[in-house]
Amino acid sequence: DVVMTQTPVSLSVSLGGQVSISCRSSQSLVHNNGNTYLSWYLQKPGQSPQLLIYKVSNRFSGISDRFSGSGSGTDFTLKISRVEPDDLGVYYCGQGTQYPYTFGAGTKLELK
Amino acid sequence: QVQLKESGPGLVQPSQTLSLTCTVSGFSLTSNSVHWVRQPPGKGLEWVGAIWSGGSTDYNSALKSRLSISRDTSKSQVFLKMNSLQTEDTAIYFCTRSIDYWGQGVMVTVSS
Repeated sequence: DVVMTQTPVSLSVSLGGQVSISCRSSQSLVHNNGNTYLSWYLQKPGQSPQLLIYKVSNRFSGISDRFSGSGSGTDFTLKISRVEPDDLGVYYCGQGTQYPYTFGAGTKLELK
Repeated sequence: QVQLKESGPGLVQPSQTLSLTCTVSGFSLTSNSVHWVRQPPGKGLEWVGAIWSGGSTDYNSALKSRLSISRDTSKSQVFLKMNSLQTEDTAIYFCTRSIDYWGQGVMVTVSS
């Protein structure tokens, strides 16, 4: 199985600030078809996860351009700019290049 | 709009069988995959399995011997059955369309 390693485990940020979350996979996420199936999710307290970014850098429907994804191969990054209160929660990366689908352990974003 | 809703018993006795239903709307099961993902209390996300648009299935290898996923396309429903339940199966169970849109989840507690 592909192991997804997220860092840091937790992050404190001031409102309006910028943060980055790293996600590394144990093997390349480039699929035979050339696509890289790396996604980012946010789970707010008491809610189900919501998709933010798919295929490394594509924002899902309705997602603010304050969220951006980048990376390739085995190293990926989610950046959040101008952090707002509604951004707080746990962020997960996930890969669907090789099944079973696997998720990172999560990064908790809190207010400083 | 795309919607998914899980239903099923909140409490299951050890060694018994769990049966969950995911009722979907806003999309076709014959054109989209539906996945089950679970989350133990206070922990991260674990992919359970999927039923693909063509009707084939894939399962988490750790659960494969106890798990069955099926569907009724006429009712827009996907079913999860897991037998020989143990306390470690206590979790919120989510169904999700292609791991983009998620249901609200259903809490399942395995306890006598």
